[in-house]
Amino acid sequence: QQQVKQSPQSLIVQKGGISIINCAYENTAFDYFPWYQQFPGKGPALLIAIRPDVSEKKEGRFTISFNKSAKQFSLHIMDSQPGDSATYFCAASTLAGGTSYGKLTFGQGTILTVHP
Amino acid sequence: GAVVSQHPSWVICKSGTSVKIECRSLDFQATTMFWYRQFPKQSLMLMATSNEGSKATYEQGVEKDKFLINHASLTLSTLTVTSAHPEDSSFYICSAREWALAGAHPFGSGTRLTVV
Repeated sequence: QQQVKQSPQSLIVQKGGISIINCAYENTAFDYFPWYQQFPGKGPALLIAIRPDVSEKKEGRFTISFNKSAKQFSLHIMDSQPGDSATYFCAASTLAGGTSYGKLTFGQGTILTVHP
Repeated sequence: GAVVSQHPSWVICKSGTSVKIECRSLDFQATTMFWYRQFPKQSLMLMATSNEGSKATYEQGVEKDKFLINHASLTLSTLTVTSAHPEDSSFYICSAREWALAGAHPFGSGTRLTVV
């Protein structure tokens, strides 16, 4: 019930294209859904995050779409650039308090390659 | 913004020795820090939750006697890998929870541990 399933495992996109990564969760207690970007040899960096009270959040070229009833959320990267080539992780946590407060459950990761 | 500093960025040690990794919150107080382990091309696996002034909470399957965690102040948590073996070689990453950031825990840059 704690799992977050992420797909695809890898993704190749041409420069200027749209990259789409999907995640699904099971635990209905999750109420915070961040996306992280990780470059080789570095720690993850927060890209964008969403709470379940909204269905979409956009920050620059990055958009999260959230479907609460389906327990799914996705990351869309518009106008993908070679510099976006990295591993992307979705995650989920609960901010409701208790012993699980803030503990992130990560998806399996997606290796994105953007060809010039 | 909230910054987490992790040191060292890489370390090589001999089998049987101990290695200490430091995680510092630079511009905020972190009552809770999280320690993760990441194998190549895999996701982050939460090892333990470190709370300032109390014992760490370890995830199932993580040996608390091998991975000693100390969170003696609001800005510093340490992970000591004791009696290291080659199978402990991995990428270790910390993150720190800051209440004002809700779920957006900043991550350290990670420590690459190689045991020879």
